[in-house]
Amino acid sequence: GQQLNQSPQSMFIQEGEDVSMNCTSSSIFNTWLWYKQEPGEGPVLLIALYKAGELTSNGRLTAQFGITRKDSFLNISASIPSDVGIYFCAGLGGTSYGKLTFGQGTILTVHP
Amino acid sequence: SAVISQKPSRDICQRGTSLTIQCQVDSQVTMMFWYRQQPGQSLTLIATANQGSEATYESGFVIDKFPISRPNLTFSTLTVSNMSPEDSSIYLCSVGWGAGEQYFGPGTRLTVT
Repeated sequence: GQQLNQSPQSMFIQEGEDVSMNCTSSSIFNTWLWYKQEPGEGPVLLIALYKAGELTSNGRLTAQFGITRKDSFLNISASIPSDVGIYFCAGLGGTSYGKLTFGQGTILTVHP
Repeated sequence: SAVISQKPSRDICQRGTSLTIQCQVDSQVTMMFWYRQQPGQSLTLIATANQGSEATYESGFVIDKFPISRPNLTFSTLTVSNMSPEDSSIYLCSVGWGAGEQYFGPGTRLTVT
């Protein structure tokens, strides 16, 4: 089945630093989604990407849909303590309508 | 987007019992899904809840263990049957309108003793 490899697994950074994480797959996806999950909560959608090569921003967050449709990355600029959480990528493929495949998650810790 | 609520938010249950989790959305949605998130893990799709028909289960999940209902376009239930400690997880519903964005409820934290 489809699998997503998300890296890094965890990051420990200082406040103000930029962060980059990515997801790769052996399969093509038609949609890439990036979520953030905080303790005790469900995942919250941050950014949705629908076209290969698309670059989308949401405040300090920027995500790109890879040209090959097999990868995506998420950047966070000028990190702040409230960026702490687990970030998940998720892909929607043509053969699995509506079913999300999730990456393993990136645990982000920001030191003030 | 949509506002999604789940009940209960958490529960502690005894081995061998069953728990029904409710998912309510504030607007009609095309698609509803149920996911499981085991401690420290990512999300795994259990099934797609189909309105007016039987749910579609993913490999490794069966109807006898996780019966699902979806009587209308805003509500669904997931039952975790004959529970064991291995069922201790967060159970999440999500909603969507097609091959695009999905939004998640806050989750139900289940502990089985």
